[in-house]
Amino acid sequence: DIVMTQSPDSLAVSLGERATINCKSSLSVLYSSNNRHYLAWYQQKPGQPPKLLIYWASTRDSGVPDRFSGSGSGTDFTLTISSLQAEDVAVYYCQQYYSTPSFGQGTKLEIK
Amino acid sequence: EVQLVESGGGLVQPGGSLRLSCAASGFTFSSYWMHWVRQAPGKGLVWVSRINSDGSSTSYADSVKGRFTISRDNANNTLYLQMNSLRAEDTAVYYCARVRAAGGRGNDAFDIWGQGTMVTVSS
Repeated sequence: DIVMTQSPDSLAVSLGERATINCKSSLSVLYSSNNRHYLAWYQQKPGQPPKLLIYWASTRDSGVPDRFSGSGSGTDFTLTISSLQAEDVAVYYCQQYYSTPSFGQGTKLEIK
Repeated sequence: EVQLVESGGGLVQPGGSLRLSCAASGFTFSSYWMHWVRQAPGKGLVWVSRINSDGSSTSYADSVKGRFTISRDNANNTLYLQMNSLRAEDTAVYYCARVRAAGGRGNDAFDIWGQGTMVTVSS
């Protein structure tokens, strides 16, 4: 099984500043036949289900603001929020879907 | 509107059973792989099970293998999770989720989630 590890566990960022969340997979999630990384990012606000933000490591889902971006390759990935807004306060999860799906432990993002 | 609505959760004693349902609407249910994901109170997301589009292939997390059964009724656009021999550690909100792309092999992100149904296992 692929283990996903996020860092940090929690993060406080000032409004308008950049927030960066890291995710590391225990095995590569790159499928060589299509050169795609099977890695997604989700946002979960209290009392709500998760919302898909990013898939294929860097493709924003429909309607996701462009301040959210995903990057990385191999086993190391990053979610960046370029200019933090109040509505971005949430827990963020990375997920691999290369094999049996697994999630990171989550990163709680707060306003400083 | 594309929607998933779970039902069937509740309070059950250890060793008991529950069947969760997930009603799908607004899309061609029979074209999509489906998953169950759970979240214990205050904890993270844990994948539970998945089923392919026609119901012929399933897989489970080790923690529920042999106790839970995923199934689907494509005629009635409904996904199920039969949960037997329930344990306290199965207490969680259970979400059903759809993969992003129709007709694929199932290795895909989850773009539609239900609101979840709470399962509490306690005496």
